[in-house]
Amino acid sequence: AQSVTQPDIHITVSEGASLELRCNYSYGATPYLFWYVQSPGQGLQLLLKYFSGDTLVQGIKGFEAEFKRSQSSFNLRKPSVHWSDAAEYFCAVGANNAGNMLTFGGGTRLMVKP
Amino acid sequence: DGGITQSPKYLFRKEGQNVTLSCEQNLNHDAMYWYRQDPGQGLRLIYYSQIVNDFQKGDIAEGYSVSREKKESFPLTVTSAQKNPTAFYLCASSGGLGWGTEAFFGQGTRLTVV
Repeated sequence: AQSVTQPDIHITVSEGASLELRCNYSYGATPYLFWYVQSPGQGLQLLLKYFSGDTLVQGIKGFEAEFKRSQSSFNLRKPSVHWSDAAEYFCAVGANNAGNMLTFGGGTRLMVKP
Repeated sequence: DGGITQSPKYLFRKEGQNVTLSCEQNLNHDAMYWYRQDPGQGLRLIYYSQIVNDFQKGDIAEGYSVSREKKESFPLTVTSAQKNPTAFYLCASSGGLGWGTEAFFGQGTRLTVV
């Protein structure tokens, strides 16, 4: 069974600083990897996804993520954080079978200091 | 516009009552999912359905029931057997049977036991 670990429960960065959110996964085959963002009391919005090909994936809102098979990681990055990026971020891995159930990490809550 | 609609946004339940959460999608997706979200625990899968008239238990199905009589609808009933139902519930859908498709989420229903 697949699993996802987000080691950082909370992260605080200053506005304008760079950001990296960590995600490690466990899955026996090539994973399908996703990053979602959730504002308080809202549903999840897809930031980006990796299925195959180029290991550096660009997403919405200036985010990118890099798939590193050797490290079983899919870290999310942004070069300059904006106050509106404050939210909770979830990494997820999809199973390569019918139904595409997602397994989520525990989430990382990002706070942005002015 | 295409999307997933969950209702109600807030729901209060008395001890011993069953309540039903609605989830409707007009994305023509085959697969639908219910997740439960608790603080610090990420999202956990309750039930999923890959096709009409078929559904499967997820990781935490006890105390919940679902039906999938129509492609666009996947209601979740929280029964009195669920001992700790207070949580945020998220419905999602995806293209299903093909691999690698992303999930789209509704805005969630917050259920509180009073």
